[in-house]
Amino acid sequence: NAGVTQTPKFRVLKTGQSMTLLCAQDMNHEYMYWYRQDPGMGLRLIHYSVGEGTTAKGEVPDGYNVSRLKKQNFLLGLESAAPSQTSVYFCASRREVAYEQYFGPGTRLTVT
Amino acid sequence: KNEVEQSPQNLTAQEGEFITINCSYSVGISALHWLQQHPGGGIVSLFMLSSGKKKHGRLIATINIQEKHSSLHITASHPRDSAVYICAVDTDKLIFGTGTRLQVFP
Repeated sequence: NAGVTQTPKFRVLKTGQSMTLLCAQDMNHEYMYWYRQDPGMGLRLIHYSVGEGTTAKGEVPDGYNVSRLKKQNFLLGLESAAPSQTSVYFCASRREVAYEQYFGPGTRLTVT
Repeated sequence: KNEVEQSPQNLTAQEGEFITINCSYSVGISALHWLQQHPGGGIVSLFMLSSGKKKHGRLIATINIQEKHSSLHITASHPRDSAVYICAVDTDKLIFGTGTRLQVFP
């Protein structure tokens, strides 16, 4: 099992460009999450999904969109990238609430 | 005030020392997670607990629900334990502390 994978691992964007980050899990988990990690701050939740076809906003959703068309995939989109979105992005999944959460390896995004 | 507070923020130890990292929280939770992140690396789950104590090798995690406090202990610390340790409380979503950076020197 690959667990949770993220594509790409690194990316540099210019301000105003768009991109999509892909998260895939092969554990048949219902819950999937997108976080960002910035220096000096804890992981912050961007969006999450409690099942195929569902999405919900987290703590810092502005500037991001998500889709969960297939149970195993959770996509994070940036429509018009801004320097404030320079961060490391982690995807995670778990079976349900109060279960262990499995993290992807992270995507380092730089917006210039 | 943050809902999850960790202390200390930074910790330096000599190999072999006993390490304690503390986590206090202010919300009702269904579970508490301890995570480990090596420099430039991914995030790994160490423990999930909702009561009492769990042990895995040299790592021990305890939680006191009434006091809203958890501790992570590392016995006989080793340089490979150098990492950031993150506490997260489970309230249907995870709320994370800012982490404790541990450096263990030979």
